[in-house]
Amino acid sequence: EAQVTQNPRYLITVTGKKLTVTCSQNMNHEYMSWYRQDPGLGLRQIYYSMNVEVTDKGDVPEGYKVSRKEKRNFPLILESPSPNQTSLYFCASSLVWSGSGYGYTFGSGTRLTVV
Amino acid sequence: AQKVTQAQTEISVVEKEDVTLDCVYETRDTTYYLFWYKQPPSGELVFLIRRNSFDEQNEISGRYSWNFQKSTSSFNFTITASQVVDSAVYFCALLSAAGGSGNTGKLIFGQGTTLQVKP
Repeated sequence: EAQVTQNPRYLITVTGKKLTVTCSQNMNHEYMSWYRQDPGLGLRQIYYSMNVEVTDKGDVPEGYKVSRKEKRNFPLILESPSPNQTSLYFCASSLVWSGSGYGYTFGSGTRLTVV
Repeated sequence: AQKVTQAQTEISVVEKEDVTLDCVYETRDTTYYLFWYKQPPSGELVFLIRRNSFDEQNEISGRYSWNFQKSTSSFNFTITASQVVDSAVYFCALLSAAGGSGNTGKLIFGQGTTLQVKP
């Protein structure tokens, strides 16, 4: 089944403890990105990647890192999480940056709570 | 500036009623793409449709239809004969193609419309 897999689905962590949210797609998509969803602020892009080894900042990159060493994986790294990073995170992928006819496929989301 | 406005925060209908969700967008780019996504209570984002700025044809898919009008910068979504399973938050999103290195694949989402369909 074509999909974007995020792990974990839920995570509660403490301030300052490094964590990684994994994202993997099995559709050979070139484009991948991360969004966070917050009440009142909506969905905002954190980072994106046009292809392997090509990543760039979105609108809210502070406090996050990404890497794209393989086409299928695009992990989101929080090196020192803070409570303001408590959010619902989505990974998305697409054949190309413009979404193609099938749009962007989103993962199921990761609900992160930082205490 | 690029912006998507979904003026209807919440809509409540009774099953089998038709309902239209409004979406108004702003962009200065001549090439852009419009999307609709559904977010059911389980939380995932489900792709519904993608339209490019050069294709103003209306689209119908089962009970769903979309009306794209460049003259009013709108991309409205209609559900015919609504069902309880249609209850969700619906997002309209814009992707502008600035060209060259300006393309980021960034979706500009509206704030979403919560649709409740009562039995």
